[in-house]
Amino acid sequence: QVQLVQSETEVKKPGASVKVSCKASGYTFINYGIIWVRQAPGQGLEWMGWISTYNGNTNYARELQGRVTMTTDTSTSTAYMELRSLTSDDTAVYYCARDILTSSRGLGYWGQGTLVTVSS
Amino acid sequence: QSVLTQPPSVSAAPGQKVTISCSGSTSNIGNDYVSWYQQLPGTAPKLLIYDNDKRPSGIPDRFSGSKSGTSATLGITGLQTGDEADYYCGTWDSSLSARVFGGGTKLTVL
Repeated sequence: QVQLVQSETEVKKPGASVKVSCKASGYTFINYGIIWVRQAPGQGLEWMGWISTYNGNTNYARELQGRVTMTTDTSTSTAYMELRSLTSDDTAVYYCARDILTSSRGLGYWGQGTLVTVSS
Repeated sequence: QSVLTQPPSVSAAPGQKVTISCSGSTSNIGNDYVSWYQQLPGTAPKLLIYDNDKRPSGIPDRFSGSKSGTSATLGITGLQTGDEADYYCGTWDSSLSARVFGGGTKLTVL
């Protein structure tokens, strides 16, 4: 079965960086891109960007460009999301996700989420 | 402000039907597929509807989706207390070159 397993909770100070991992299993990793979505406390879903697991191409949300980097390691079927220059506004649960089918739009598989808390 | 507009809350009695709207524009809903998600407290979102009206395996037919022009609707029939959750619509926005979500709708089953 398809699984996306994320790294554990992180607590960071303002100005620091965080790197969240997302290990995929149960399918051919390079057949599906990985999307990152975050959710601030009590708020809605925010799309952060996408990475092609096939060739590493990325598409980042405009408001995060310059601060976010998404990468993959195909040898371990793992995707990474690094966010730099953290502020309290970056406190959120971060999710990785995958479309249900290659030809469809619908995030059918999600990681369990990684809580990132930014606090001095 | 979310690109897609949803009502903040809806409510209905157990056994009744409810609809949740999602309004967008020609650059998003009007030109791409819509998906719907259910999020129970403290859990990751769950896909209910994809490609406007398709249900993933395991999603009961009490949940339905439709799209017309620049708006989409999620319907839930035979409401159960377990349906109390936040619901989000999502699609691709060609102007932003980004996936976008609605602000979410909190469903209360009275």
